Amino acid sequence: NAGVMQNPRHLVRRRGQEARLRCSPMKGHSHVYWYRQLPEEGLKFMVYLQKENIIDESGMPKERFSAEFPKEGPSILRIQQVVRGDSAAYFCASSPLTLTEAFFGQGTRLTVV
Amino acid sequence: DQQVKQNSPSLSVQEGRISILNCDYTNSMFDYFLWYKKYPAEGPTFLISISSIKDKNEDGRFTVFLNKSAKHLSLHIVPSQPGDSAVYFCAATSSGNTPLVFGKGTRLSVIA
Repeated sequence: NAGVMQNPRHLVRRRGQEARLRCSPMKGHSHVYWYRQLPEEGLKFMVYLQKENIIDESGMPKERFSAEFPKEGPSILRIQQVVRGDSAAYFCASSPLTLTEAFFGQGTRLTVV
Repeated sequence: DQQVKQNSPSLSVQEGRISILNCDYTNSMFDYFLWYKKYPAEGPTFLISISSIKDKNEDGRFTVFLNKSAKHLSLHIVPSQPGDSAVYFCAATSSGNTPLVFGKGTRLSVIA
């Protein structure tokens, strides 16, 4: 049973470009969560999705950021017109039902140059 | 407003001794708590959890204690091993239905 898969592991984008981060949850998991970790900080919640639905996006910036979890395929976190402050590690977690069993992927390290 | 606080950014312990990592929370709605371990350039790995109906949960060398009245929990690792050196995050949720709220982490160094 493969774990949570995130790709790419590392992503470099120039300011103004778009970044697309992908997350495939564990088999049987229908809940996906995205977190961001800035240097020397904890993990900050961004968005919680179930298949085809955004359940909670209270932690996601209102502009430039969007997320989806389509019926087929991975969850995508999309950042448009990236800025240097978007440089961070982005982690995806999945769970079968509640967050009492959340497992994380290895993360995508985004660097904006 | 930090709802989950880990006030010690770092901790050094000698191999074989006990490591005690502390975590405080402010939100009384939290009723489920988790500890994650994180190595550099890797994702957090689930370690141990505890429900608010318990005050202790043990798994091998790892024990988590919960003091609800003080809104405090701690992770005990005994005996500590060099491979335990990592950043430990405390996280909390309300009935598992709200997003996990994380502390800033404590970097544990176990010295051989």
